[in-house]
Amino acid sequence: DVKVTQSSRYLVKRTGEKVFLECVQDMDHENMFWYRQDPGLGLRLIYFSYDVKMKEKGDIPEGYSVSREKKERFSLILESASTNQTSMYLCASTPLVRGRNIIREQYFGPGTRLTVT
Amino acid sequence: AQTVTQSQPEMSVQEAETVTLSCTYDTSENNYYLFWYKQPPSRQMILVIRQEAYKQQNATENRFSVNFQKAAKSFSLKISDSQLGDTAMYFCAFMKMYNDMRFGAGTRLTVKP
Repeated sequence: DVKVTQSSRYLVKRTGEKVFLECVQDMDHENMFWYRQDPGLGLRLIYFSYDVKMKEKGDIPEGYSVSREKKERFSLILESASTNQTSMYLCASTPLVRGRNIIREQYFGPGTRLTVT
Repeated sequence: AQTVTQSQPEMSVQEAETVTLSCTYDTSENNYYLFWYKQPPSRQMILVIRQEAYKQQNATENRFSVNFQKAAKSFSLKISDSQLGDTAMYFCAFMKMYNDMRFGAGTRLTVKP
């Protein structure tokens, strides 16, 4: 089974702190994603990465950065946490499959519920 | 950009009965993929069922089936013989490329004993 793990289930930080959220997958997937989940808004893509040291902005990258130094690990960084970044953060991964009409679903981690006070 | 709409924020169903969750989407693409994900309380999000747009046949997975209406851009999920373990948040998702998955706002389903 694919396993995607996230470093913390619950996290409480103060405004202005630098926050690191870690995600690790054990299935050698090329693609990794960070989403935030808010009630009534579903999941929104923050950043994704399709290879080591590669990153692309999603729909809501402001206030966030990412790091992918190793294939299995994708980190989300809040440079200076703010109260509007209180949310559930979900990491996901999916393999790169070459071929027409071949697509794989995304596999999700358990989520990190971040509260910024 | 593609949008996904789930018009039912909350639903409930009695155990052993059937329930249908609605999802509509907006796209100009012809080839794409649709998914239903389940997120149980305090647990990991998992895939329930997937549908490729080029396939006319509706996907089924045990008690879960979809009604895919491509022309109407509708993708509903039917859960038969509902079980207490089906209580969860359900998300409909649309994907054109691996890096462009769009989620609906979710439907919170409660199965009552």
